[in-house]
Amino acid sequence: GAVVSQHPSWVICKSGTSVKIECRSLDFQATTMFWYRQFPKQSLMLMATSNEGSKATYEQGVEKDKFLINHASLTLSTLTVTSAHPEDSSFYICSANEGLAGYLSSYNEQFFGPGTRLTVL
Amino acid sequence: AQSVTQPDIHITVSEGASLELRCNYSYGATPYLFWYVQSPGQGLQLLLKYFSGDTLVQGIKGFEAEFKRSQSSFNLRKPSVHWSDAAEYFCAVGPNQGGKLIFGQGTELSVKP
Repeated sequence: GAVVSQHPSWVICKSGTSVKIECRSLDFQATTMFWYRQFPKQSLMLMATSNEGSKATYEQGVEKDKFLINHASLTLSTLTVTSAHPEDSSFYICSANEGLAGYLSSYNEQFFGPGTRLTVL
Repeated sequence: AQSVTQPDIHITVSEGASLELRCNYSYGATPYLFWYVQSPGQGLQLLLKYFSGDTLVQGIKGFEAEFKRSQSSFNLRKPSVHWSDAAEYFCAVGPNQGGKLIFGQGTELSVKP
């Protein structure tokens, strides 16, 4: 199956610094990537939808200037947590849709990355 | 509003016993339904999915799920649970606008020896 990787798998940073998380589709082209946040013992909360070459679409309540998303290529999307604070500590998961060349589908399956654990001190 | 409800936050079953995890959804159109499993500190792995056709869907690791439109349910089952099945299970429905998924709250499965 399609593989999605995330880097780093975990990161610890000081309050006020910025952290970049990468999400890569390893063996397919991802026209759309999604970024989720997950608190302990809770479900996934969609933060934003990222389309290659265009601006990300953020969910209501998610700060665009704090969580910068870039989808510069069909295999890479990045999430930058700017001026991180302890309340930003969380598990961040990305997923990617596998677009089928020449086939228009109302839905393409999402493949999930392994997640990135962010701890802000 | 579109939503997914997993009524059971935590379930404990004995190893070798059968398992059923409940999932109810509210969705305006024909839903695509998914079950994912998440081990601690890991991402999500797709167990099975329902798009159309046979309402009984077979997945990986011996899991199956049945789509019941009249009950708006998509319950996950396994006839004999293994200790390695202990994990968090999420039901999801889509596609929402832009292909987004809506996740349930999750059910944590514990397996007793």
